[in-house]
Amino acid sequence: DADVTQTPRNRITKTGKRIMLECSQTKGHDRMYWYRQDPGLGLRLIYYSFDVKDINKGEISDGYSVSRQAQAKFSLSLESAIPNQTALYFCATSVGPLNTEAFFGQGTRLTVV
Amino acid sequence: GENVEQHPSTLSVQEGDSAVIKCTYSDSASNYFPWYKQELGKRPQLIIDIRSNVGEKKDQRIAVTLNKTAKHFSLHITETQPEDSAVYFCAASRFGDGNKLVFGAGTILRVKS
Repeated sequence: DADVTQTPRNRITKTGKRIMLECSQTKGHDRMYWYRQDPGLGLRLIYYSFDVKDINKGEISDGYSVSRQAQAKFSLSLESAIPNQTALYFCATSVGPLNTEAFFGQGTRLTVV
Repeated sequence: GENVEQHPSTLSVQEGDSAVIKCTYSDSASNYFPWYKQELGKRPQLIIDIRSNVGEKKDQRIAVTLNKTAKHFSLHITETQPEDSAVYFCAASRFGDGNKLVFGAGTILRVKS
């Protein structure tokens, strides 16, 4: 089945370290997103991309960067991790241009100590 | 930007009873309103959605209603079952805004058997 795959699934890192979370999809969707989930705050958008040449900031982009290496790959980087970036991170995909269902990856649980 | 508020934050019901979760949104241009269910340790998955040209939509035991004038929409689950226990998120987005979903904070639904 076509899917959205995130790696790693769990990661513990130290404050100040650089870390990359990766997302790949076999759905053939053009739009990809990174969301962060915190208890009581729902899912908040970090970055999104319409295609390889298009990157857009979301609601909470400070401290994060992204790269769209191919239509199927979208990675999220924390240049210098800090403890309040401890969260559950989800990659998602959708098809444009009309608003349609977003398909989520399995999530990456990141802990910054 | 869009702001989505969701209530209640937790909801406990007896098996067989109905459950209602309500959301309000701020951007009158929003025109797509999905609901996602997230089971423990799993990814969010779409359960039902509604567009602004429709006032109500049903799918078996779940239904969503939309009041554009009041800018609120609700999820109704009838004849609840233990497997309905999960976190439910509402979201809103508008055409031409990159399919960006703005999520509510989530509702933890517990169905007691």
